[in-house]
Amino acid sequence: EAQVTQNPRYLITVTGKKLTVTCSQNMNHEYMSWYRQDPGLGLRQIYYSMNVEVTDKGDVPEGYKVSRKEKRNFPLILESPSPNQTSLYFCASSLGPGTNYGYTFGSGTRLTVV
Amino acid sequence: SQKIEQNSEALNIQEGKTATLTCNYTNYSPAYLQWYRQDPGRGPVFLLLIRENEKEKRKERLKVTFDTTLKQSLFHITASQPADSATYLCALDMRYSTLTFGKGTMLLVSP
Repeated sequence: EAQVTQNPRYLITVTGKKLTVTCSQNMNHEYMSWYRQDPGLGLRQIYYSMNVEVTDKGDVPEGYKVSRKEKRNFPLILESPSPNQTSLYFCASSLGPGTNYGYTFGSGTRLTVV
Repeated sequence: SQKIEQNSEALNIQEGKTATLTCNYTNYSPAYLQWYRQDPGRGPVFLLLIRENEKEKRKERLKVTFDTTLKQSLFHITASQPADSATYLCALDMRYSTLTFGKGTMLLVSP
């Protein structure tokens, strides 16, 4: 089954403790992206990657890091999480912008930073 | 920058009626305009995509129209069912930049 897999589904952590949210896709998509979703603010892009070793900032990249060492994986790293990063996070993959193709989203990771 | 407007108020309709949701945007028309469905706490699910040179697209009970003059897309669900209740997001693909989402409109279909 074609899918984007995110882990963990839920995570509670303390301020300053580094964490990684994993994202993997099995569709051989070149494009991958991370979004966060907050009430009243909608989906906001954090980082995206057009291909292996190519990443770029989205609208809200502060406090986040990403890497794209392999085509299928695009982990999101919070080096020093803070309470304002409490949010619902989604990973997505696609053939890319302008390709007449929709995005496939993961099931989400609900992160709470206390 | 591109601004996307979707009605923030929930749309309440009765089962069997046609639901119509609106997506307006500013500035340049996108290469593609996409519609997604999102259930609470779940990831968005891709529904339909319409190109800038297309006026209308259909898929089963779904219809999307795209008017680049008005800078507007309409999303219709005919013969709506309670299972159609969800938040619907429109998204703009500008071709050379990444997908930008509207905040979505909640649809509530009552039996």
